Order: sequence, then C-alpha cells, then structure tokens
Amino acid sequence: QKEVEQDPGPLSVPEGAIVSLNCTYSNSAFQYFMWYRQYSRKGPELLMYTYSSGNKEDGRFTAQVDKSSKYISLFIRDSQPSDSATYLCAMSASSSASKIIFGSGTRLSIRP
Amino acid sequence: DTAVSQTPKYLVTQMGNDKSIKCEQNLGHDTMYWYKQDSKKFLKIMFSYNNKELIINETVPNRFSPKSPDKAHLNLHINSLELGDSAVYFCASSQGALMDTQYFGPGTRLTVL
Repeated sequence: QKEVEQDPGPLSVPEGAIVSLNCTYSNSAFQYFMWYRQYSRKGPELLMYTYSSGNKEDGRFTAQVDKSSKYISLFIRDSQPSDSATYLCAMSASSSASKIIFGSGTRLSIRP
Repeated sequence: DTAVSQTPKYLVTQMGNDKSIKCEQNLGHDTMYWYKQDSKKFLKIMFSYNNKELIINETVPNRFSPKSPDKAHLNLHINSLELGDSAVYFCASSQGALMDTQYFGPGTRLTVL
C-alpha cells in the first residue's frame, strides 16, 4: 500500500461547480498537509498548508484534514476554467521540506 | 523575474551519456532541492541541500549527484544515463526547510533514448 493515495481522475465539472479533491494516507505520524496545483508543463505551486486536523480557508479554497480517518480534502468553490490543472496532495511527519511525500495528483478540468 | 529557473527545458540524450541540469534561484533562499516526476506524475524528492547539510533520498542511485557552486545555484549531474532516468526533473528552493516557503522551477524534461 502506498503511503499516500490519490484518485488520478480525470475529473471534469462545469464552471461554477464545487469541486472536492481527496487523499487518503496510511502513516499516522503525518502532521503537515499540503495541496499543490500544477499546470501543464509547469512546476507545482503551493496552494494550501495546514498543520494537524481541522479546516483552513483561503478565498475559494478550503482544506480539510481528518486525522482520525487519515483523509484530507480540498474544496474549490465557484470553480473557474483557470482552475483546470493537476492537484497534488502532500504530507509530512516533520516540518522539514525534505521529508514531504506526494500523492500522484488528480487531473481536474473545468468546462466553461 | 523568474524565482526559480532551470536549464535546459528539454534534454534528449543517448543511454550511457553524462548530462547536467542547472538550477538558479533569486529568492535569497538557503535550501535547494531536486525532485523527479515520473510518467505517472509521482513527485519524489531526490536531494535537499543547504550549505551545511546534504540529505539524499536513499532510493537515488549514486549516478546522480548535486553540485552547488554557491547558495543560489544547485546543479544536477547524472552519469551513465539509463532509460529509466527519463522523467521531468524539478528544482525547488525554500527558506530553511520551511515547506510553506518552497517554490518550484518549471522543470526539465529528460528523455533517454
């Protein structure tokens, strides 16, 4: 079993819809949880960063962490065509960036 | 201004060759990284480096070596290239090891024939 599992998609939704992206993990030591957005032929960019359980909101994006279920989610409200990208979840047991484990990414397409 | 830049953007080469990929960051960060993203989009860290410490992912073959002429540059040298080395290689940098300050470069697509 991989440490981090993520549905590769592709996921296609109409513009304006609420998008839910999810990851599960097996290592209960993970404390730091990230979501990255990667446009085609570009490097990943950090979208959301949370520590431990709970919710974090930034504009149209909400990250949720449920440590009891080993499950994290990213919600995108009022989705836009510019949100079309691959979304990578990532997590780590320590605050060091050298210990991050990434999911394989979910390809998201927002239809105008 | 590009925060983290890499050259070349594309690299096509024959098996057995030795090649280098260059990375430069203008963010004033003190830690730099190399990642490999395979065809299934798995992104794995290969190295993290600052002027005090080199951390190597234990799965990285010793044909791969990072070389840092100064704090703003971290180059990746690959000896005796193999077909399985074909991937996109990303450079990144951060302030200390703080993951919420990490920025990625645009990637170098390496194809080994």
